[in-house]
Amino acid sequence: GQNIDQPTEMTATEGAIVQINCTYQTSGFNGLFWYQQHAGEAPTFLSYNVLDGLEEKGRFSSFLSRSKGYSYLLLKELQMKDSASYLCALMDSNYQLIWGAGTKLIIKP
Amino acid sequence: NAGVTQTPKFQVLKTGQSMTLLCAQDMNHEYMSWYRQDPGMGLRLIHYSVGAGITDQGEVPNGYNVSRSNTEDFPLKLESAAPSQTSVYFCASSQPTTGKAYEQYFGPGTRLTVT
Repeated sequence: GQNIDQPTEMTATEGAIVQINCTYQTSGFNGLFWYQQHAGEAPTFLSYNVLDGLEEKGRFSSFLSRSKGYSYLLLKELQMKDSASYLCALMDSNYQLIWGAGTKLIIKP
Repeated sequence: NAGVTQTPKFQVLKTGQSMTLLCAQDMNHEYMSWYRQDPGMGLRLIHYSVGAGITDQGEVPNGYNVSRSNTEDFPLKLESAAPSQTSVYFCASSQPTTGKAYEQYFGPGTRLTVT
């Protein structure tokens, strides 16, 4: 079967760096997504990794290790508007998304 | 482009009532899906469609029906609402042939309460 784990909640300070981890188990893999979801809003796409390594996009970076079943989302120069939930999602062999429960990130001044 | 739109934004139903949640997209996406989101759980796939006239069940299809008569619209029908269907419902669309490989675009959500 498939399983995705990510921390329930994290707290960080404005201007700092935070790393949100996601571990998964799956029998088929077609990529890993990160989405951002502000409270009361819809998820919005942040990144997609299908090969091992780091993908950088401005203040956000996402890393994937397929052999370890591990990904992380790195947020730099944190801003108050980064307070949100961050959802890790695995695309399985049938191209369906399996979603983690999300990590609520709280940014403190 | 309006993207993905959903109506209504909020709805309260009584147990046993029926209701259709509407979803439309103007991006000519082939793939559309319905999710429900409950506290402490990941998004769960209810039904999906890979094109007009084609629908399939996701992880939690019981109590829900869908149809796809054209590319734009993908309504979700609750035949007989139950309190367990209280949730936030998101419709999403994507076009796998674009360069962003299956990036999904979500509607704003419908917050449904069944009493």
